[in-house]
Amino acid sequence: DGGITQSPKYLFRKEGQNVTLSCEQNLNHDAMYWYRQDPGQGLRLIYYSQIVNDFQKGDIAEGYSVSREKKESFPLTVTSAQKNPTAFYLCASSTPGRDYEQYFGPGTRLTVT
Amino acid sequence: AQSVTQLGSHVSVSEGALVLLRCNYSSSVPPYLFWYVQYPNQGLQLLLKYTTGATLVKGINGFEAEFKKSETSFHLTKPSAHMSDAAEYFCAVSDSGGYQKVTFGIGTKLQVIP
Repeated sequence: DGGITQSPKYLFRKEGQNVTLSCEQNLNHDAMYWYRQDPGQGLRLIYYSQIVNDFQKGDIAEGYSVSREKKESFPLTVTSAQKNPTAFYLCASSTPGRDYEQYFGPGTRLTVT
Repeated sequence: AQSVTQLGSHVSVSEGALVLLRCNYSSSVPPYLFWYVQYPNQGLQLLLKYTTGATLVKGINGFEAEFKKSETSFHLTKPSAHMSDAAEYFCAVSDSGGYQKVTFGIGTKLQVIP
């Protein structure tokens, strides 16, 4: 079955540590996205990538970094510069101009203490 | 610029009653509109979408929505609520341009009372 996988489901880190969240898709989608979800704030776009080796900042990119070395993979690193990293992180993918909607992974809940 | 307003962050209905979740949007170009559902600690699942054509859109689990351009609305309805409908619902708008940036509303949590 095609889909998006995110790992791990729950992640705990100490303040000051960088942490990388995994996102893999086998839908053959060109575009991939990272969102952050906080209670009462909906989804906010962190980074997106339309093609391999290219990505753009979203609305809240500060303190985050990404890479897109393969079409299937779009890992997100939460750096120590992110002031409030505890949140639910969602990865999505799509092929703009074809399906229109974005397909979402199951999410990773990051807790930093 | 595009935006989405969902009226009511929490909505409660009795089992068997009508479900109505409100969504208004703004967009400078013809919009694509979506409703997603999210169960606790899970990702978002597409309920239905409007791109072009018929303005009344039917989705999964008995939900439907009507695109009303004059009112810039895309309200979600279901004739009879089921306990399994309890979840958070997100309305979203995308422009029809080259890059498909999607803007999400803040979500509406639906509680179904037995």
